[in-house]
Amino acid sequence: GNSVTQMEGPVTLSEEAFLTINCTYTATGYPSLFWYVQYPGEGLQLLLKATKADDKGSNKGFEATYRKETTSFHLEKGSVQVSDSAVYFCALSQNTDKLIFGTGTRLQVFP
Amino acid sequence: NAGVTQTPKFQVLKTGQSMTLQCAQDMNHEYMSWYRQDPGMGLRLIHYSVGAGITDQGEVPNGYNVSRSTTEDFPLRLLSAAPSQTSVYFCASSSILGTSYEQFFGPGTRLTVL
Repeated sequence: GNSVTQMEGPVTLSEEAFLTINCTYTATGYPSLFWYVQYPGEGLQLLLKATKADDKGSNKGFEATYRKETTSFHLEKGSVQVSDSAVYFCALSQNTDKLIFGTGTRLQVFP
Repeated sequence: NAGVTQTPKFQVLKTGQSMTLQCAQDMNHEYMSWYRQDPGMGLRLIHYSVGAGITDQGEVPNGYNVSRSTTEDFPLRLLSAAPSQTSVYFCASSSILGTSYEQFFGPGTRLTVL
């Protein structure tokens, strides 16, 4: 069945460091891929998405590229801020409203 | 727009008690879902609905009931609470954007079952 695998956290970085959070998926066909972010005490918010191979989603300085050949959708940011501290979830859907989530990666950014 | 609202924010139950978690959305979305979030397991789908009067089971439906009498509301009922249902519950609603579905999440309900 479909599944999403993310790197385990927590990821601890200093402010202005480069961020990569790995995400790989297993699915048939061409799913849509998402990154959601959960700030402390809040619900999930869509951060970015990509719907077809080689698409790049971007938002708030974060980027992720849909790589069909490696079944990956890694999240990157060139310079993180303390305010980026949150839990990040990779997810996929096969053109339905059902989302399949990874286990989440906690990011902690220190000044 | 209030988006997706959930009540209560926190709840403590004793084993065997029943309760209903409320969820409402004001975006006229057809699709609504309930997830539970547990440490190390991400979010798992409990039940979902593709429109008023239509519901279906997700990955972990046992112990929960849902109904969808209106487009706006999608309550989740715990019939007889168990400690294994201690979790954070999120309601979400979906709109169709192009070929993908963007889900909007509520702030969550933290449930503890003693």
